[in-house]
Amino acid sequence: GAGVSQSPSNKVTEKGKDVELRCDPISGHTALYWYRQSLGQGLEFLIYFQGNSAPDKSGLPSDRFSAERTGGSVSTLTIQRTQQEDSAVYLCASSLASFSKNIQYFGAGTRLSVL
Amino acid sequence: LAKTTQPISMDSYEGQEVNITCSHNNIATNDYITWYQQFPSQGPRFIIQGYKTKVTNEVASLFIPADRKSSTLSLPRVSLSDTAVYYCLVGGRDFNTDKLIFGTGTRLQVFP
Repeated sequence: GAGVSQSPSNKVTEKGKDVELRCDPISGHTALYWYRQSLGQGLEFLIYFQGNSAPDKSGLPSDRFSAERTGGSVSTLTIQRTQQEDSAVYLCASSLASFSKNIQYFGAGTRLSVL
Repeated sequence: LAKTTQPISMDSYEGQEVNITCSHNNIATNDYITWYQQFPSQGPRFIIQGYKTKVTNEVASLFIPADRKSSTLSLPRVSLSDTAVYYCLVGGRDFNTDKLIFGTGTRLQVFP
């Protein structure tokens, strides 16, 4: 597609359920990033992929969070046993390569609400 | 990664020039300075990037002094549609990670 696509755009779930968030990066972009943005806050880095490997998982807030990327393309962020504090907008970005001058292109995000 | 500091909010009127300054005292030699814009319910969008001196594109100008410890994003003749949050980021070349560190940004409100 022309841009980064995320699905679903909105997700409402009950506390304790598992959720999967999907990101389709721009075709040909080797680097993929997940961020989280709470209401009125800046973005919080979660995880970075270069190809299918994740050299930096340092931002994942707990072991309930995991992510994978297959075929160097689509990525899935999974949150197990969701908690109310997980409610936020989850943003995905991709870039051509991983270096200082890269420009990251963002999707519109998935708004997660945990009741 | 260098930490950035920028004003929390700014107000302006349509047609005025807006300058948003960001400080990044610990910028490293190979760091670029990048600005993103974010509208409500959207992901951030790249505006402009620079390394030193001045960069200009169709949207904005970026001024970077010789010591590179600060930068100023200049928006000429803003309109209501420029109301958004503006983030200043400094990223370094790291072979293991290339994450962007976003601060809380500057919330620009443009009035008619």
